[in-house]
Amino acid sequence: KNEVEQSPQNLTAQEGEFITINCSYSVGISALHWLQQHPGGGIVSLFMLSSGKKKHGRLIATINIQEKHSSLHITASHPRDSAVYICAGTNTGNQFYFGTGTSLTVIP
Amino acid sequence: DARVTQTPRHKVTEMGQEVTMRCQPILGHNTVFWYRQTMMQGLELLAYFRNRAPLDDSGMPKDRFSAEMPDATLATLKIQPSEPRDSAVYFCASGLVLIPRTAASHEQYFGPGTRLTVT
Repeated sequence: KNEVEQSPQNLTAQEGEFITINCSYSVGISALHWLQQHPGGGIVSLFMLSSGKKKHGRLIATINIQEKHSSLHITASHPRDSAVYICAGTNTGNQFYFGTGTSLTVIP
Repeated sequence: DARVTQTPRHKVTEMGQEVTMRCQPILGHNTVFWYRQTMMQGLELLAYFRNRAPLDDSGMPKDRFSAEMPDATLATLKIQPSEPRDSAVYFCASGLVLIPRTAASHEQYFGPGTRLTVT
């Protein structure tokens, strides 16, 4: 069993829809990263959070340490949001636990 | 526009050959990470450096892989000898760590990756 589980694995949405991607983890972590990998392969770090909520433009990331769960929300989704979204937990021992990714397709 | 650069972007080589991948971190960043991504395994951390010193390389096959930082502007990942199972995209990322114990808990900037194919 993977230490970090993401759901759904694949997601198709209509432009404008509100999107939620979930990340649950079974190991102790000190921070959680959300990464975005574009169809061309490039990776962008979206958020790094250890508690609460962060917002950047139309993207919102939340984490609940007690429940070992994080969510990434996209408001007013756009075709350019189509990408693979990966969550990764890290601990103070600098170990990484990667999710398998959620492939998002936003249709115009 | 500061960014992490990696060379080469693509590499095709024959089994048994030596492969060297290079990464130039963002100027001023003191932490460098090497990742490997395959369809089967997804993203994996291979090694990382802080202030040019290797902090963790437990994710790296020691018999054939080596990672170094000859200076603050260059990180290298070497495979010798290469095998077909090493075929993957190798990403380098850099960041600025202000609290040493939490090297992984900070924002990272990824390079474009090196796509390696070993035949």
